[in-house]
Amino acid sequence: EVQLVESGGGLVQPGRSLRLSCEVSGFTFDDYGMHWVRQVPGKGLEWVAGISSTSTSIIYADSVKGRFTISRDNAQNSLYLQMNSLRLEDTALYYCARDLEMSVTDAFDIWGQGTVVTVSS
Amino acid sequence: SYELTQALSVSAALGQTARIPCGGDNVGSRDVHWYQQKPGQAPVLVIYRDNMRPSGIPERFSGSSSGDAATLTISRVQVGDEADYYCQVWHSNSVLFGGGTKLTVL
Repeated sequence: EVQLVESGGGLVQPGRSLRLSCEVSGFTFDDYGMHWVRQVPGKGLEWVAGISSTSTSIIYADSVKGRFTISRDNAQNSLYLQMNSLRLEDTALYYCARDLEMSVTDAFDIWGQGTVVTVSS
Repeated sequence: SYELTQALSVSAALGQTARIPCGGDNVGSRDVHWYQQKPGQAPVLVIYRDNMRPSGIPERFSGSSSGDAATLTISRVQVGDEADYYCQVWHSNSVLFGGGTKLTVL
């Protein structure tokens, strides 16, 4: 069964850091690009970052550029999101999602259930 | 900056056809993808590359795109189709989602 399981969310103060993880199973991880997408409860989807299968292409939304770093470990079947200098507006449910292709330019065909990040003092 | 515009809500009678629009400058020249999200659940891809259906998605779901508009069409709407629907495109080294449309089945 294809599965994406996020972890690492929690309550953190503004300005602090948090690292999210996404463990995948049921498919060949290094055949696919991966993404992080977030959603404030009751609001729409916001794409955060994407990484190609071999990490050669990495892209970020302007809202997180310079603060967040996406990475992957193909040997560990894991995707990561290092979030630094967190802001109140980063509070959201964070999903990891699989790209249809090895790149980061296609649709997202598999999604995890998400991990909640709350930034609050 | 590029934006995708979606109506806040669309309604359709049970068994009829629902059409959910997504507007954007020359969006017809891009691959448009559509997601369905039910309350408390992760999004599900229902249409990719304008009009392709992933396995497991009913044939009642279809997509089209031309000019400045893309449309997700749901035929023979069912109560279980009530959800938020998001369009998405790739633009200028970035991924963009529309604001989402809530489909209500009457």
